[in-house]
Amino acid sequence: ETGVTQTPRHLVMGMTNKKSLKCEQHLGHNAMYWYKQSAKKPLELMFVYNFKEQTENNSVPSRFSPECPNSSHLFLHLHTLQPEDSALYLCASGPGLAKNTGELFFGEGSRLTVL
Amino acid sequence: QKEVEQNSGPLSVPEGAIASLNCTYSDRGSQSFFWYRQYSGKSPELIMFIYSNGDKEDGRFTAQLNKASQYVSLLIRDSQPSDSATYLCAVNVNSGGYQKVTFGIGTKLQVIP
Repeated sequence: ETGVTQTPRHLVMGMTNKKSLKCEQHLGHNAMYWYKQSAKKPLELMFVYNFKEQTENNSVPSRFSPECPNSSHLFLHLHTLQPEDSALYLCASGPGLAKNTGELFFGEGSRLTVL
Repeated sequence: QKEVEQNSGPLSVPEGAIASLNCTYSDRGSQSFFWYRQYSGKSPELIMFIYSNGDKEDGRFTAQLNKASQYVSLLIRDSQPSDSATYLCAVNVNSGGYQKVTFGIGTKLQVIP
């Protein structure tokens, strides 16, 4: 069983739908991240939460809305997405400055297709 | 300027050979350096990290860091077909109380049996 679990693994949605991606980590980490992975592009950092507080919003459009109710759970709420938002969305957790290493542990990802 | 640069490949090496993967970074404040492996259809997994100039060896893998040249590399000795994957270089900067990890595009490695 992976230490970081993401659901759903695959999601197809229309541009007018509202859906959410869920991430849960069982590693006792303090920091959680959302990354976007598109073909032929580097992983793009979207949001970072450290001890439940958002510490980074990397110029992400407002149609993506993160939520972090506690250090173990992270959500990405999606609404009125565009076809170019189709990508693999990866959740990661890390020990944060507690360990001062920057190691990240990724979930298996949610493959999103916007029609 | 890209923050972390890698040749996307593919890099093809015969089985048993040494694969050499390279990466440069732009932020001189970068403090730690990572290599992640990503198999097709899977998520990245950490395989090596290095903080200090020089070499760090772990089994068949050696990470090399030269901060003056802002250069990181990964050597894979005795390459196996199971090493075929995309290798992501990542660098870390402490930023506002959390680790800001920036990734390169990744180099696709193909090990030919």
